[in-house]
Amino acid sequence: GAGVSQSPRYKVAKRGQDVALRCDPISGHVSLFWYQQALGQGPEFLTYFQNEAQLDKSGLPSDRFFAERPEGSVSTLKIQRTQQEDSAVYLCASSPPGLAVETQYFGPGTRLLVL
Amino acid sequence: AQSVAQPEDQVNVAEGNPLTVKCTYSVSGNPYLFWYVQYPNRGLQFLLKYITGDNLVKGSYGFEAEFNKSQTSFHLKKPSALVSDSALYFCAVRAPSGGYNKLIFGAGTRLAVHP
Repeated sequence: GAGVSQSPRYKVAKRGQDVALRCDPISGHVSLFWYQQALGQGPEFLTYFQNEAQLDKSGLPSDRFFAERPEGSVSTLKIQRTQQEDSAVYLCASSPPGLAVETQYFGPGTRLLVL
Repeated sequence: AQSVAQPEDQVNVAEGNPLTVKCTYSVSGNPYLFWYVQYPNRGLQFLLKYITGDNLVKGSYGFEAEFNKSQTSFHLKKPSALVSDSALYFCAVRAPSGGYNKLIFGAGTRLAVHP
């Protein structure tokens, strides 16, 4: 079946531009996570949605980062006034409902380069 | 706080030889541990997880992992390495928070299998 998809796969932005990254989770998955993976590092948690509710945004590095999931399916991660330190791969993951310990299914990521 | 350490940046193995990728963890409470693999330009793929029960967990592609509570380790193993196993491997631990489970990842270990 279809997995998690993300678009665009690559994004080059000039410093100060706003960007929007899209995640399409697996159909029926209630939980949705965003992670940031800097070069040579493991993914780091950014934010979590359960359906349309954003239950945890403790990992968002600044108020320039904003995420939404208005209808409980597709999610968008927006970064305003991008900075060079925002360059990273942004990963989206989703999990089905009803599992005590969720297995998260990851998308291919969006590689963001801020010049 | 939950944390994961992968002490090796890279592991080199000859094809056909056994491989081990090391992971140690620090958690409060029962550890829920995961291994993911990342191929170039692809998302993280779930390999296996330990929740409870048998200390030897079997996963995808012939991989297994051994949970050792006294050594707080969860090393990934495979009896006979393939060149196609060359990839980036991440160990992760669950960080429970308010009824959901975000993952804390290690920095990753690059596995290189040589013909």
